[in-house]
Amino acid sequence: EIMMTQSPATLSVSPGERATLSCRASQSVSNNLAWYQQKPGQAPRLLIYGASTRATGIPASFSGSGSGTEFTLTIDSLQSEDFAVYYCQQYYNWPLTFGGGTKVEIK
Amino acid sequence: QVQLVESGGGVVQPGGSLRLSCAASGFTFSNYGMHWVRQAPGKGLEWVAFIRYDGSDEYYTDSVKGRFTISRDNSRNTLYLQMNTLRPEDTAVYYCAKVFITIFGVVIYGMDVWGQGTTVTVSS
Repeated sequence: EIMMTQSPATLSVSPGERATLSCRASQSVSNNLAWYQQKPGQAPRLLIYGASTRATGIPASFSGSGSGTEFTLTIDSLQSEDFAVYYCQQYYNWPLTFGGGTKVEIK
Repeated sequence: QVQLVESGGGVVQPGGSLRLSCAASGFTFSNYGMHWVRQAPGKGLEWVAFIRYDGSDEYYTDSVKGRFTISRDNSRNTLYLQMNTLRPEDTAVYYCAKVFITIFGVVIYGMDVWGQGTTVTVSS
């Protein structure tokens, strides 16, 4: 099973600033990585797939990068609606696995 | 619009069974593989199971193998999760979600559409 580790667990950011979230895989997943956003009481929303491709309707303020074992989600100029929990997920092989999540909170 | 609606959650005693359903609409259900994902209270996401678009293959996370069975009825546009021998640690919100197919026809085994979830509580 591929372990996905996200850091930090909590990120305190002021509105308008940039947030940088990290995700590390225990072995290479190539670019088979997705990022999701989840707000309290809601289902997750797909942000990024293929490590760097934005899903339909996702603003350009969200960008993904990386391949192999190291991945980054960057959120430029944080808006109030961006404060949420973010998860990475590998779909390179079975079982699919998620990271533990990074909570982006208002500083 | 594309929609997934889960049902069948509830409170069950340890060792009991439940069957979850996920009704799909707004897309050609029979063309898409489907997932179940769960989230324990206050915890992160955990992938549970996957079934291919035609039901020809299934995958499970280790903790549910032999206890849970994913299935689908493409004539009814419905996905199922039969859960047997339930344990307290199975307590969670259960989401169904569909895979994503790019404009180039590449299947992405992530989840681009999610239901609202159904709550399963295993407790005596």
